[in-house]
Amino acid sequence: GNSVTQMEGPVTLSEEAFLTINCTYTATGYPSLFWYVQYPGEGLQLLLKATKADDKGSNKGFEATYRKETTSFHLEKGSVQVSDSAVYFCALSAYTGNQFYFGTGTSLTVIP
Amino acid sequence: DAGVIQSPRHEVTEMGQEVTLRCKPISGHDYLFWYRQTMMRGLELLIYFNNNVPIDDSGMPEDRFSAKMPNASFSTLKIQPSEPRDSAVYFCASSAGTGFFGEQFFGPGTRLTVL
Repeated sequence: GNSVTQMEGPVTLSEEAFLTINCTYTATGYPSLFWYVQYPGEGLQLLLKATKADDKGSNKGFEATYRKETTSFHLEKGSVQVSDSAVYFCALSAYTGNQFYFGTGTSLTVIP
Repeated sequence: DAGVIQSPRHEVTEMGQEVTLRCKPISGHDYLFWYRQTMMRGLELLIYFNNNVPIDDSGMPEDRFSAKMPNASFSTLKIQPSEPRDSAVYFCASSAGTGFFGEQFFGPGTRLTVL
């Protein structure tokens, strides 16, 4: 079946630190992969996506590369800011079963 | 555009009562999704519509839950009767043309508490 496994949090970093949030997936076929972000009290927003192997999604300084060989889509940012404090969700969209799967979410807190 | 609109933002009700959650998708979007978010189960897709037609309701937890989309600009999720385990944040999302494979735009959610 299809699933997403995401690094457990919470994660606390100092401002300007490097961020990595791990995400691996299981899927039949060739899924599309997403990172969504949820700020406190709000709905989710798309952060970035990749639709095929070796694609790199990027937005607001965040990057993730679709690695088929390791079935991974790790989120990275070189220098986090306090405003990046949020919950980050890795997600997968699969043609088989026509479904959408979210990871469990990773809470990030950035301290000044 | 105002984005996806959900109402109410908060709902507190007693066990056994009927609850109706409402959603207005972004104009022109032809997909609408209902999700539930809890600490224990994370984000779960409950049901989704394409052009107002329910496509997959396999995520609806039981018969107490029902969803409708009478027109392109309105959808409801109803729980009757409600139970304390239904307490969660319910999100509505919409997308244009690409379904799950493009960007889903989420509403702010309805926080439901069933006492």
